[in-house]
Amino acid sequence: QQQVKQSPQSLIVQKGGIPIINCAYENTAFDYFPWYQQFPGKGPALLIAIRPDVSEKKEGRFTISFNKSAKQFSLHIMDSQPGDSATYFCAASKPGGSYIPTFGRGTSLIVHP
Amino acid sequence: ETGVTQSPTHLIKTRGQQVTLRCSSQSGHNTVSWYQQALGQGPQFIFQYYREEENGRGNFPPRFSGLQFPNYSSELNVNALELDDSALYLCASSLLAGGHTDTQYFGPGTRLTVL
Repeated sequence: QQQVKQSPQSLIVQKGGIPIINCAYENTAFDYFPWYQQFPGKGPALLIAIRPDVSEKKEGRFTISFNKSAKQFSLHIMDSQPGDSATYFCAASKPGGSYIPTFGRGTSLIVHP
Repeated sequence: ETGVTQSPTHLIKTRGQQVTLRCSSQSGHNTVSWYQQALGQGPQFIFQYYREEENGRGNFPPRFSGLQFPNYSSELNVNALELDDSALYLCASSLLAGGHTDTQYFGPGTRLTVL
């Protein structure tokens, strides 16, 4: 059972474009929604995260949009650069002391120069 | 770069063998989590240790076991290896304090191949 569904599986954009990656979740107990960036040969690194009490969060060129009623959230990368080429994972976790995220399957992003 | 290190980087084993993977947590962190990441998939939670005690476990069989040491370094042991165990194994360290866990910092992973 896939609790966090991520799409698309892969994405190719030109430099300066705005790739959008979407995630949907089923468990309404989730209350923390992070995005991770993973480069080849590296572990995932936290990029940006949001809680359901806000509908949008922006950090630099990265923006999360959150729709609680639809149980969906998305990552937008403004003015994308070739260095943004990586695999992006959305995740969701429940409240409590043990932060244990459930990850989506990932989106491979390629930004052409 | 995070302060989380893992060893070895790559490992090749044959079916039925046993393997031990190691993780050194970031300084000041008291919690370590292990994940299995199959090719083209997101990381899947195996288990978490807090102050040397198991603090949560995912849907993995008992042949996956772990240890956390007083210095908060950790081991993942897998017995009776199967072909499907071939994956990238990630550890992530974090600080659990006041009933709240901080961000997890991932190591680079160990690539395990089972032949």
